[in-house]
Amino acid sequence: QITLKESGPTLVKPAQTLTLTCTFSGFSLSTTGVGVGWIRQPPGKALEWLAVIYWDGDDRYNSFLASRLTITKDTSKNQVVLSVANMDPVDTATYFCAHTHYPSGNSFDYWGQGALVTVSS
Amino acid sequence: DIQMTQSPSSVSASVGDRVTIACRASQGISSWLAWYQQKPGKAPRLLISSASSLQSGVPSRFSGSGSGTDFALTISSLQPEDFATYYCQQTHTFPPTFGQGTNVELK
Repeated sequence: QITLKESGPTLVKPAQTLTLTCTFSGFSLSTTGVGVGWIRQPPGKALEWLAVIYWDGDDRYNSFLASRLTITKDTSKNQVVLSVANMDPVDTATYFCAHTHYPSGNSFDYWGQGALVTVSS
Repeated sequence: DIQMTQSPSSVSASVGDRVTIACRASQGISSWLAWYQQKPGKAPRLLISSASSLQSGVPSRFSGSGSGTDFALTISSLQPEDFATYYCQQTHTFPPTFGQGTNVELK
């Protein structure tokens, strides 16, 4: 059974760096083809893809946010970490992590419950 | 980036209705398209991948079609549990962009 769970601060101040951790079970990020991605959703708005990291360390980023995003993995801990620098109130959103499988087309078949992050001074 | 445009943005329907949601890509994406269902306060659920492949456990009243730039999600007979927001996502090219969503609400 695959599960994922996001953890991190619920409130950050403008200009701070947000660090979120995705802890997962039921799969290994050392298995060929497997990846973990991050997606966010501002209140009442659409989903926005942020970043993904694959079993081989390959990482990809949202074009508009790439300069502010960093995604890393710790295979031994079954964790993926997303950092978002220079947070702004418009970054207020629920942040989801999700499992993907490259050979199956990069869709996200398992999701965490999401973590709401508010940016406010 | 590839832009994904869904229509309509919202649809009012009754239980038993047939509902079709369209999704158009700004450039050809072959069959690299996924559909998700999201209910309020919940994570999205993958319904369909590769334009028409139904995920395990998804009811057969859901179907996907299309290739290239034009795609559709059809619910053949709307059930009470189907009232939700639906998103398409292209998985052809990074970044894998989402549509803006279609809200299926009770008429």
